[in-house]
Amino acid sequence: DTAVSQTPKYLVTQMGNDKSIKCEQNLGHDTMYWYKQDSKKFLKIMFSYNNKELIINETVPNRFSPKSPDKAHLNLHINSLELGDSAVYFCASSRPTGPQFFGPGTRLTVL
Amino acid sequence: GENVEQHPSTLSVQEGDSAVIKCTYSDSASNYFPWYKQELGKRPQLIIDIRSNVGEKKDQRIAVTLNKTAKHFSLHITETQPEDSAVYFCAASNFMKTSYDKVIFGPGTSLSVIP
Repeated sequence: DTAVSQTPKYLVTQMGNDKSIKCEQNLGHDTMYWYKQDSKKFLKIMFSYNNKELIINETVPNRFSPKSPDKAHLNLHINSLELGDSAVYFCASSRPTGPQFFGPGTRLTVL
Repeated sequence: GENVEQHPSTLSVQEGDSAVIKCTYSDSASNYFPWYKQELGKRPQLIIDIRSNVGEKKDQRIAVTLNKTAKHFSLHITETQPEDSAVYFCAASNFMKTSYDKVIFGPGTSLSVIP
């Protein structure tokens, strides 16, 4: 019955690898997001999708590619992982004029 | 571009005292201001929000005030308890019926409540 879920919760990988994080929401929201939270706890928006369409892309390297197969899912694929990609990645969803509901986060560690 | 500043960055209070966190925003068109609480290792969770047609909103021990003229909004927590210890984020956005705008988060305030 989790509202916004993400998998995996932890991801440890080597530099140069490609990895994906999956996100699903069962709240019926039209809008979904990916945020990156670094070690200083700052929440930085990366992408936002509304009804499967990309509406926000915040100067994120093109190694990051979001994919929304339907409005309940927003996945994040990362190519050629770098040390600086280590962070906690949060998925979130919302109605267009409402608060955001966050997933539990995925802690990515790049070695 | 849009910016949200938040002060203080860290705050320690004795249990039972009040805590106040202040935010300022730069976009005068902002009309929605949520506050999120993030406990260690957990996800950010909405604790209270306010829209620009309201000056103050209260929910038990927490309250938020908004001054649109000064572009300030504040979170007030009364009778603090150890479980209030967390990082608190303010945010601002411009929600319109026919378009979408992103939410800008402040940098966070780490609140410690000392028993």
